[in-house]
Amino acid sequence: EPEVTQTPSHQVTQMGQEVILRCVPISNHLYFYWYRQILGQKVEFLVSFYNNEISEKSEIFDDQFSVERPDGSNFTLKIRSTKLEDSAMYFCASKPLFVSPLHFGNGTRLTVT
Amino acid sequence: GNSVTQMEGPVTLSEEAFLTINCTYTATGYPSLFWYVQYPGEGLQLLLKATKADDKGSNKGFEATYRKETTSFHLEKGSVQVSDSAVYFCALSEEETSGSRLTFGEGTQLTVNP
Repeated sequence: EPEVTQTPSHQVTQMGQEVILRCVPISNHLYFYWYRQILGQKVEFLVSFYNNEISEKSEIFDDQFSVERPDGSNFTLKIRSTKLEDSAMYFCASKPLFVSPLHFGNGTRLTVT
Repeated sequence: GNSVTQMEGPVTLSEEAFLTINCTYTATGYPSLFWYVQYPGEGLQLLLKATKADDKGSNKGFEATYRKETTSFHLEKGSVQVSDSAVYFCALSEEETSGSRLTFGEGTQLTVNP
């Protein structure tokens, strides 16, 4: 069964550094998402992306965050200058149609030191 | 705004015990409701869903009924197995007003002992 693939599984970075989290959604999917889960807290929506543009973003998704689909297969989340509070598990998700369940990747654990 | 509240965990059961994980929600419209499961080291997987009042979602022996009058979507299984040990998340999506973003509950850790 096709899967959403995320790399790396764990990334450690220093505060102030830029990080790029990578995702390969399922190939025929059209809608793409990033969620995050800070340890011990709820899974939170960050951003949705459709037709090469952001369709919705949460209040968490400020100017430090950006998303890109550079080549028709990858979907990336960039954090420009990481903060300690960005440490979390980041989940990528995709779906083929607007009204259909999300398929999640296994997540990237980001640790900011 | 939308919110989802799950029963506090963790939950520890013996194999073949009956499972209930409570979930209640607050929404402004008519949401779809979901249960996702996260096995150790893996991503979130859709377990079951219901899209309108009185619908029952079911999968792998798990069931949940969309109760509009009590704004609830409790997860049940009659006889749990060790392999059911995971974190369970209740979630809602209100497509018309929120662009289909999912709002999650806190998650409930289930451990089933042999």
